[in-house]
Amino acid sequence: EAGVAQSPRYKIIEKRQSVAFWCNPISGHATLYWYQQILGQGPKLLIQFQNNGVVDDSQLPKDRFSAERLKGVDSTLKIQPAKLEDSAVYLCASSLRGYSGEQYFGPGTRLTVT
Amino acid sequence: DAKTTQPPSMDCAEGRAANLPCNHSTISGNEYVYWYRQIHSQGPQYIIHGLKNNETNEMASLIITEDRKSSTLILPHATLRDTAVYYCIVRVANQAGTALIFGKGTTLSVSS
Repeated sequence: EAGVAQSPRYKIIEKRQSVAFWCNPISGHATLYWYQQILGQGPKLLIQFQNNGVVDDSQLPKDRFSAERLKGVDSTLKIQPAKLEDSAVYLCASSLRGYSGEQYFGPGTRLTVT
Repeated sequence: DAKTTQPPSMDCAEGRAANLPCNHSTISGNEYVYWYRQIHSQGPQYIIHGLKNNETNEMASLIITEDRKSSTLILPHATLRDTAVYYCIVRVANQAGTALIFGKGTTLSVSS
């Protein structure tokens, strides 16, 4: 079974530029999550999708971050404009059901904002 | 904030059992204990979860105290590949929209 795929693996941008990350969850997984992990901390949930609808986006900085999951499969997370404090690893995860605590994570995208 | 307390770091000799403690003194009756680990430069990996009974799978065993205020994750024969950050998380199971809240976890270093 293929795991959660993410791209790119690494990205370096200057502040005020925009960036987008892509995630393809495990086939058949209805729920998709985006997490932000700052160096030295545990991952923090940004947004959760159930199929193509948003379940929880309470921690998403909506003035600069946006995410979509068209057709209920893959998803993109965008930051526009980026700030220095956005430097982090962005992790995508999926689960079979929305209430499952068993989540499967991708390798993440390491973003550096200079 | 995370509802759990874990030691920041632990060491273990290869081949020995690694016992990782977690305190969750404010756990509610409908909250499960989940364990994840994160190997360097990888995403977190689900290990095991439980409610009140001890649980075992191919990766580890989970021992939960009778009062459910603490638990221990046991890796019976630690290998160098078990070096990782281990996260203990309490969460209401089977409830949509309930996020996993990660703390800082315990960094386990396994040495030969």
